[in-house]
Amino acid sequence: TQLLEQSPQFLSIQEGENLTVYCNSSSVFSSLQWYRQEPGEGPVLLVTVVTGGEVKKLKRLTFQFGDARKDSSLHITAAQPGDTGLYLCAGVDNAGNMLTFGGGTRLMVKP
Amino acid sequence: EAQVTQNPRYLITVTGKKLTVTCSQNMNHEYMSWYRQDPGLGLRQIYYSMNVEVTDKGDVPEGYKVSRKEKRNFPLILESPSPNQTSLYFCASSFFASFEYNEQFFGPGTRLTVL
Repeated sequence: TQLLEQSPQFLSIQEGENLTVYCNSSSVFSSLQWYRQEPGEGPVLLVTVVTGGEVKKLKRLTFQFGDARKDSSLHITAAQPGDTGLYLCAGVDNAGNMLTFGGGTRLMVKP
Repeated sequence: EAQVTQNPRYLITVTGKKLTVTCSQNMNHEYMSWYRQDPGLGLRQIYYSMNVEVTDKGDVPEGYKVSRKEKRNFPLILESPSPNQTSLYFCASSFFASFEYNEQFFGPGTRLTVL
């Protein structure tokens, strides 16, 4: 079974600060996805990174896939209260049809 | 509106009382899946279905059954629920199973408590 570890598990910061969330594994994934989940709702896909070393930007969010396709990071610049939520990474297996989720990072951004 | 719906949203039951959680999608998706979410463990896949009449086990299938008789519906059945099945359950669907190139849409979740 492939495992994904996310760190930190919890993060509480002030509005305007920068932060990075990490997603690490000893296994290689064909691609890596990041989701955001808000209370009472299901996860919503933010991005999929496919190529080792790939960097994708979504407004103030920057996603990077490790060169060896074993790890990924999510960096948020100038965090806002609307960024508050649970962030989940998920690795896609080599067949492309199964996801392994990390344990999640619960982010709170205080005004 | 394109969506995945689940019912019920909340359920409290007792050990051993059979229950079914329904899932329906209106996007003509071939792939459907059930996950459970527990604190600190992320989402773990229970069962998935590539198409009608095709189902397969995920990582944690013990104690669960599924069926896919119609493309739009994928019910999750707990024949004899136990307290360790207390969890938040999500149904999800996508056009096909290749997640690199197509998005998986999640339902709003069903919070199940087994006493």
